[in-house]
Amino acid sequence: DVKVTQSSRYLVKRTGEKVFLECVQDMDHENMFWYRQDPGLGLRLIYFSYDVKMKEKGDIPEGYSVSREKKERFSLILESASTNQTSMYLCASSALNRGTEAFFGQGTRLTVV
Amino acid sequence: KQEVTQIPAALSVPEGENLVLNCSFTDSAIYNLQWFRQDPGKGLTSLLLIQSSQREQTSGRLNASLDKSSGRSTLYIAASQPGDSATYLCAGTFSSNTGKLIFGQGTTLQVKP
Repeated sequence: DVKVTQSSRYLVKRTGEKVFLECVQDMDHENMFWYRQDPGLGLRLIYFSYDVKMKEKGDIPEGYSVSREKKERFSLILESASTNQTSMYLCASSALNRGTEAFFGQGTRLTVV
Repeated sequence: KQEVTQIPAALSVPEGENLVLNCSFTDSAIYNLQWFRQDPGKGLTSLLLIQSSQREQTSGRLNASLDKSSGRSTLYIAASQPGDSATYLCAGTFSSNTGKLIFGQGTTLQVKP
């Protein structure tokens, strides 16, 4: 069974904290993605990576950074959490070939207070 | 700009009914289209993937079609059940991007017993 695992289902953090969201996949996929999902706005791409140490900005990268030191792990970093970053964060992976299926983790509900 | 649209935003049907969910996209250079299911507070579960060279895919009671020339995809659910109640999202990968998924806003389906 293919698996994308996000480190936390629920997180509560304080404004100004540095927050790490971790994602691990066991399918040897080259592509990994971070999305956030908000009511009325749908899923929006924050960052994605197509190889180790490679990254590309998505539609809403401001306030976020990412790290991909190993192929199976993709981390999303909130440098200084703010209340407008309260959201559902979803990690996904897919093989390099654009025709392949994408798989998602279970999501992390982050609340910044 | 590549856009994916799902209408209606919400749909309510009685149990047993056959139904069709719609997805439209603006760029006919679509590489593939994927349908997902999302239960409240959870991640996305992949249902069906249609490659651009295919016209349809089937899995159990689900059938998805793709018409590139008209910019449309449909997800047909046969003999709907209360357990089918969820949000259904379609997402396209387009030839000009690197495996990134562009999502519609989703259709929330309620199947009443």
